[in-house]
Amino acid sequence: GAVVSQHPSRVICKSGTSVKIECRSLDFQATTMFWYRQFPKQSLMLMATSNEGSKATYEQGVEKDKFLINHASLTLSTLTVTSAHPEDSSFYICSAKRQPIPQETQYFGPGTRLLVL
Amino acid sequence: GEDVEQSLFLSVREGDSSVINCTYTDSSSTYLYWYKQEPGAGLQLLTYIFSNMDMKQDQRLTVLLNKKDKHLSLRIADTQTGDSAIYFCADLSGGYNKLIFGAGTRLAVHP
Repeated sequence: GAVVSQHPSRVICKSGTSVKIECRSLDFQATTMFWYRQFPKQSLMLMATSNEGSKATYEQGVEKDKFLINHASLTLSTLTVTSAHPEDSSFYICSAKRQPIPQETQYFGPGTRLLVL
Repeated sequence: GEDVEQSLFLSVREGDSSVINCTYTDSSSTYLYWYKQEPGAGLQLLTYIFSNMDMKQDQRLTVLLNKKDKHLSLRIADTQTGDSAIYFCADLSGGYNKLIFGAGTRLAVHP
């Protein structure tokens, strides 16, 4: 299998605080992980691509100082929402790309629902 | 940029076949995927097809790819209530090596 976990599954925080979300590949190594955001009844929006040992690549319009990504090991990437505000409330989903080529398939975590009060 | 389009809603009777359609614009597409999302959950990979294939079958699932028309479909045979979910079509963009998602098709299965 290819299992990806996320923690926490749900978090409620006060405006102005920072929240860290973890994404782990449990049974494979992932040199590349992705962070998505999903609004209600909408598709997934890619926020950034996280590469192990290097800086993340952010999509246009995503603030890198707001959404800090760290990919320190082959099985763990973290997304920190800094100074969260109510408009950051959303469903955040990570995925991990399982190698080797040619099957470049992304396996998704269960998602983290963030509510900022 | 590249685009993936899907119809937003499909309703079928339990036991019938469901066909979810998807079109894409990427000429350099390498892989195309179908994911399933149940309420409040992440995405579950259902199946994928390599761009040089026409068809792939996996138990109740059949994927058809018409590369000329850039049309992908997912057929679910003997649809069950547990199949009710949102189905996303995704294209692995050859140029950018990232997934481009459609808006998702909400499948409702009724008795």
